[in-house]
Amino acid sequence: DAKTTQPNSMESNEEEPVHLPCNHSTISGTDYIHWYRQLPSQGPEYVIHGLTSNVNNRMASLAIAEDRKSSTLILHRATLRDAAVYYCILSKQAGTALIFGKGTTLSVSS
Amino acid sequence: KAGVTQTPRYLIKTRGQQVTLSCSPISGHRSVSWYQQTPGQGLQFLFEYFSETQRNKGNFPGRFSGRQFSNSRSEMNVSTLELGDSALYLCASSLGRPTTDTQYFGPGTRLTVL
Repeated sequence: DAKTTQPNSMESNEEEPVHLPCNHSTISGTDYIHWYRQLPSQGPEYVIHGLTSNVNNRMASLAIAEDRKSSTLILHRATLRDAAVYYCILSKQAGTALIFGKGTTLSVSS
Repeated sequence: KAGVTQTPRYLIKTRGQQVTLSCSPISGHRSVSWYQQTPGQGLQFLFEYFSETQRNKGNFPGRFSGRQFSNSRSEMNVSTLELGDSALYLCASSLGRPTTDTQYFGPGTRLTVL
């Protein structure tokens, strides 16, 4: 599976927007982009995923670059509960496994 | 709808023993995946089952095995436990392929090997 690169950590203030970047320069045309997050002492939870177009849901937005070599997870108004490790994952459409990297640890201050 | 459940939540074993962990997926989900999480290696994929068939296996020794039953419930077994097997074992379920359908994770089983 193609590799993703994320910053190790990021900081944000409560109620401010957060933009979490992910580089995936070796992405292929049929690779999906997934974002999961893991809150302390919990299993990972799904945030959002997309293929080519930008995606929005109640939790976040996913902005995908036109060449698909990078994407950005946008949390519109960070809360303390958003402090977590965020994982950007690529997967083959016909694949059967999500391969997690190290992710980005997001800290949110009040 | 009930989420993914894993039993037991905590387990302490000694080296050389074997252990069986259980996972009950969300009702209607046919895919179950297992992951091992350690501070040093992060989240590592163990295997994925769909309709009682193992479709994918991660890079783990043969001591790690699993199975899925006709009701989609899954078990994983680790034989001849080593200290390095101490980890959080996570189970996740999805309707179909975990690469296109949302995966829902359980709370995990914390295994400590002494």
